[in-house]
Amino acid sequence: NAGVTQTPKFRVLKTGQSMTLLCAQDMNHEYMYWYRQDPGMGLRLIHYSVGEGTTAKGEVPDGYNVSRLKKQNFLLGLESAAPSQTSVYFCASGGQSLHGYTFGSGTRLTVV
Amino acid sequence: AQSVAQPEDQVNVAEGNPLTVKCTYSVSGNPYLFWYVQYPNRGLQFLLKYITGDNLVKGSYGFEAEFNKSQTSFHLKKPSALVSDSALYFCAVRDLGAGSYQLTFGKGTKLSVIP
Repeated sequence: NAGVTQTPKFRVLKTGQSMTLLCAQDMNHEYMYWYRQDPGMGLRLIHYSVGEGTTAKGEVPDGYNVSRLKKQNFLLGLESAAPSQTSVYFCASGGQSLHGYTFGSGTRLTVV
Repeated sequence: AQSVAQPEDQVNVAEGNPLTVKCTYSVSGNPYLFWYVQYPNRGLQFLLKYITGDNLVKGSYGFEAEFNKSQTSFHLKKPSALVSDSALYFCAVRDLGAGSYQLTFGKGTKLSVIP
């Protein structure tokens, strides 16, 4: 099925560990986004990309890095995990045709 | 800068009654507006969008939304609520006029439909 796939779905990290979340889309979308969802905070934009090889900071970029080496993939990295990064992370993609944005099913990350 | 406000954290409505979930936005140019729904432990699902044209937009599952430029609002409505409509609803905006690529979300409104 076409859509946005996020891996892994769940992860528990120790403080200071690093990890990479992968987002893959097969809709040939130009735009890709990483959000975090926290209770009472809604969805906050971490980083986004408007095309292969481009990235930009969103509202809450500190402690995260991203890369978009291939159009279909958007990677989110945590360099040194902190408990404040415990959250549910969502990836989304969208095309220039403005038909809408498609979301992945999320990654639930716990940092202990 | 673009922003979205959902003034109600929670909305309760009886099954069969009409429902409204409120959203106001702020942009410098023309808005591109969305409503999404999230069921427990799931991702966000697209309901409807407004780009231009008719101010009343119809979407999935019988939902509709009314764009009001003078009030900068985009309220979500449904004539007759179902228990299965209970979920978290998000309004989102992208400022097309400002050339923004960012999609900004409100904090969400929890809708509870009471049998």
